[in-house]
Amino acid sequence: KAGVTQTPRYLIKTRGQQVTLSCSPISGHRSVSWYQQTPGQGLQFLFEYFSETQRNKGNFPGRFSGRQFSNSRSEMNVSTLELGDSALYLCASSLGGGEPQHFGDGTRLSIL
Amino acid sequence: AQRVTQPEKLLSVFKGAPVELKCNYSYSGSPELFWYVQYSRQRLQLLLRHISRESIKGFTADLNKGETSFHLKKPFAQEEDSAMYYCALSGLTGRRALTFGSGTRLQVQP
Repeated sequence: KAGVTQTPRYLIKTRGQQVTLSCSPISGHRSVSWYQQTPGQGLQFLFEYFSETQRNKGNFPGRFSGRQFSNSRSEMNVSTLELGDSALYLCASSLGGGEPQHFGDGTRLSIL
Repeated sequence: AQRVTQPEKLLSVFKGAPVELKCNYSYSGSPELFWYVQYSRQRLQLLLRHISRESIKGFTADLNKGETSFHLKKPFAQEEDSAMYYCALSGLTGRRALTFGSGTRLQVQP
């Protein structure tokens, strides 16, 4: 079974731009969660989607948004990028219902 | 508010020595506790979850609700155990988002 796939692996953007990151979950997994990892703040929860509905949201500004498609693939979007958005963005999928989350390799976003 | 604390950034031990990675948590309700591990150049992967009560790669962790701790232990460390270890919690019901600790890097020296 293929693992969680995130694309692209690396991105370089400038302040003020917007970016879209993609996540393909493990086949059969309906829950997708996004996390931001930085050296200063560690791993922080962004949001979780299940069956195309956002179930939970972390404490991030409205510039961070996401969606999930009918095939469970998910995208997250960050608008008006700031230097502080430079981070590794991790996607995790699970069957839902309390089953463990499986992580992708992440997308490393650098803001210049 | 829920919080996970891993007090040690780095733990260095010799091969064959016992290992204990500390994790304390605060959560108003019934949490589920996890240990995730990240080996060099690999993705974050689940090592243990407290409800499974199993031993993986010789590691065990017991949930102590009185001390609100979920320490990870292994009696004899191996060099291949060198990695970054994260303790995490989520609710047993409802909100399933993971709250992570800051991580502990385990170095097992030969």
